[in-house]
Parts: sequence; C-alpha cells; structure tokens
Amino acid sequence: EIVLTQSPGTLSLSPGEGATLSCRASQSVGSSYLAWYQQKPGQAPRLLIYDASNRATGIPDRFSGSGSGTDFTLTISRLEPEDFAVYYCQQYGNSPFTFGPGTKVDIK
Amino acid sequence: EVQLVDSGGGLVQPGGSLRLSCAASGFTFSSYAMSWVRQAPGKGLEWVSAIIGSGVSTYYADSVKGRFTISRDNSKNTVYLQMNSLRGEDTAVYYCAKTLVRGGWLPMDVWGKGTTVTVSS
Repeated sequence: EIVLTQSPGTLSLSPGEGATLSCRASQSVGSSYLAWYQQKPGQAPRLLIYDASNRATGIPDRFSGSGSGTDFTLTISRLEPEDFAVYYCQQYGNSPFTFGPGTKVDIK
Repeated sequence: EVQLVDSGGGLVQPGGSLRLSCAASGFTFSSYAMSWVRQAPGKGLEWVSAIIGSGVSTYYADSVKGRFTISRDNSKNTVYLQMNSLRGEDTAVYYCAKTLVRGGWLPMDVWGKGTTVTVSS
C-alpha cells in the first residue's frame, strides 16, 4: 500500500498570500497518478488537480500542481476567502487508492 | 446535469448489515468507474472501493475486504455497497463518486452529498 504524508498539517495564512502544500508518497506513484481535492465543512470533496498537474474543469488558475515520483506539490498563488479549507492528495496509480491525511489551510 | 444521489445510511448494530445505493444521472453510467469513499466523524477521507463500468472488476481497501461488496446495475444507473459484519470503526459519512475519465479508475470528479452510517448498540 502506498502511504501518503501531507505537510504541514495546518497552514495559517492571510487572504492574498500564497500557499504551498506538500504530499509525499512512500513509493513512486505510477504515471503521476496523483490528485488533489478541496473539502469545506459539511461538503463533499471537490476535485482540483489530477495527473499531478492538470486542473479540473472550472478550477481557477491560481491553483497549480506539480511533482512526480514521490514528491508532489499543490500551490495556491493568492489565497481567496473561499480557499480556506482542507486539502487532500490521493494516489490512484495502485490499489488501494489511498488518501493523505490532509492539510488544513486556515485564516491567520 | 451530472448528479449522484446516495442513500441507505442509518443506525445499525455491530455485526449487522446495510446496503448503500447511489443513483446516477446525466452521463453514460456504464462507461464510468464508480467509487465509494468514507469519512469518519472529524477525520480524513478514506477510499473504500471501486468498480469498473462493466462491473467485471473491483477493488477494495484492506479495512473492508471480505466484509463489503461493491456492485452496480447499469440498467438502473445505480451502484451499491453491501456492508456486512459492521464495526464501530465503519461509522462514517459514505460518499459515492464518479471517475473523471471513461475507462479509468480514478480520480473522482463528481460526488454525491453523502449518506451517514452509524454502527452502535
């Protein structure tokens, strides 16, 4: 099983600042099959990024993904008020298709 | 509009069974893999199971293997999760989700609102 580790656990930032979230895999993720999701309280997750760097439909370009192998990054260039949420990475290169524990981005 | 409506959650005693359903609309259901993902109270997301569009292939998380069974009825545009031998740690909101790409397993681009399963005596 591929174990995903996300850091930091919590990121306290102000609107307008940039955010860098990390996702590290215990072994290489095949074909860069890594996705990022955003989840707000009481809501279902929302797909942001797939295949490590492709934005899903309707996702603003302030969200970008990068990385390969075992190290992946989600970058939010300038935080908008609606971006404060929990972010999860998920690998789908090998079953079981594991999630990371999440990074909470909250308002400083 | 692509929509998933998950249902079937409720309160069940440890050792009991429950079947979740997810009714899909707005896309060619049989062409897309479907997954179930759960979230225990105050915890993160846990992928549970997935089934390919034809239904001939499935995957499970180790935590549910042998107890849960995913299936689908493409004539009814519905995916199911049969949950047996339920334990307290199965208490969670269960989401069904559609895969992004035809023929692929994941990622999941459309999600249901979730149905709550509580395992307690």
